[in-house]
Amino acid sequence: QAQLVQSGAEVERPGASVRVACKASGYSFTGSHIHWVRQAPGQGLQWMAWINPPTGGTDYAQRFQGRITTTRDTSMSTVYMELSSLRSDDTAIYYCARQSRSGAFDIWGQGTLVSVSS
Amino acid sequence: DIQMTQSPSTLSASVGERVTITCRASQSIDIWLAWYQQKPGKAPKLLIYRASTLESGVPARFSGGGSGTEFTLTISSLLPDDFATYYCQQYNTYSDGAFGQGTKVEIK
Repeated sequence: QAQLVQSGAEVERPGASVRVACKASGYSFTGSHIHWVRQAPGQGLQWMAWINPPTGGTDYAQRFQGRITTTRDTSMSTVYMELSSLRSDDTAIYYCARQSRSGAFDIWGQGTLVSVSS
Repeated sequence: DIQMTQSPSTLSASVGERVTITCRASQSIDIWLAWYQQKPGKAPKLLIYRASTLESGVPARFSGGGSGTEFTLTISSLLPDDFATYYCQQYNTYSDGAFGQGTKVEIK
């Protein structure tokens, strides 16, 4: 069945960068956009970015412009999200999610906890 | 950016009760609205898309309605498995503020 499997938890220092991977399986990787959504501890969901796997085209939320980069490796059916200049308030669970034909997010990764602490 | 406002933020209800959550968009999003259920420690799960279409496998006690700027999620008869946090999401444009702040459905 279709699934997204993310890389493991990361602990980073303020000012560092982190890269989270999201591997797709069970469906055509180039058939759907992949989005990134994060959730700070005890908080709601925050949309961050999307990437279109066949073209590599991207779009980012204004608040992350200049700090976020999403890329893909079509040979590995994997997308990556890199966030730089990390701050303590970037501590969150980061999810990747597949955009369905309707536009909603029908498949989610299990989440990756990124902790930023000195 | 389009902002989404959910109400209430917390809802206390009993098993068997009918509950309704409201989501308002700061401008019209036609029917481009989804509802998700999230349980502690888990990723969100898609319940409804296009405002009122039930995702495959989701029980029929869940229903969605609305268009334009006002939307609702109704659970016709709460089961113990339904106690969770629910989020609305507009996908007319993917942008900051796309998700509502969430509604936690608690056991009364």
